[in-house]
Amino acid sequence: DIVLTQSPGTLSLSPAESATLSCRASQTVHNTHLVWYQQKLGQTPRLLIFGASRRATGIPDKFIGRGSGTNFTLSISRLEPEDFAVYFCQQYGSSPPTFGQGTKVEIK
Amino acid sequence: QVQLQESGPRQVKPSQTLSLTCAVSGDSIKSGGVYWSWLRQHPEKGLEWLGHIYHSGSTDYNPSLQTRLTISVDTSRNEFSLRLTSVTAADTAKYYCARLELVVMGFDCWGQGVPVTVSS
Repeated sequence: DIVLTQSPGTLSLSPAESATLSCRASQTVHNTHLVWYQQKLGQTPRLLIFGASRRATGIPDKFIGRGSGTNFTLSISRLEPEDFAVYFCQQYGSSPPTFGQGTKVEIK
Repeated sequence: QVQLQESGPRQVKPSQTLSLTCAVSGDSIKSGGVYWSWLRQHPEKGLEWLGHIYHSGSTDYNPSLQTRLTISVDTSRNEFSLRLTSVTAADTAKYYCARLELVVMGFDCWGQGVPVTVSS
């Protein structure tokens, strides 16, 4: 199975700051089938980015996904209160699909 | 708007079988290009994909659970189900049904999830 390692575990930032989250894969993620989700407390995951860099419908351009191979990042600019949440990466370049353990973006 | 809703018992005794059903509304379970999936989330831990099913009945399971897991589909009811046998405390988690969209290769629609506790 491909292991996805996210860093940092927690990111403490103030509103209006920017965040950069990392997701590293233990093997190449084929076809850049790398997805990012946002999960707020008590809610279900929301798909933000697919194909490593393509925003899902309705996702604002403040969310930018980059990367290929084994290294991927999610950048969030101008943090707003609703952006403070846990972010997961997930790959399905190889079966079984696997998830990272998550990065919590919290208010400093 | 597609909606998924899980149903089933919230407590199961060790060694027994966990059965959950996901009702799909707003989309036909016969839609092409999607797999109907089960995932779970352990407290304070990440997400784990359990398996999925296509409307034809074709399935794929996480190898870690393959010997205990069965996913089935009922197209007449527009729902799909999970059956996990011989449960232990390690199966305590929040269980989600979700739609895997094959262009995205990600889960674009989720149920609210049902917390399941394995305890005697």
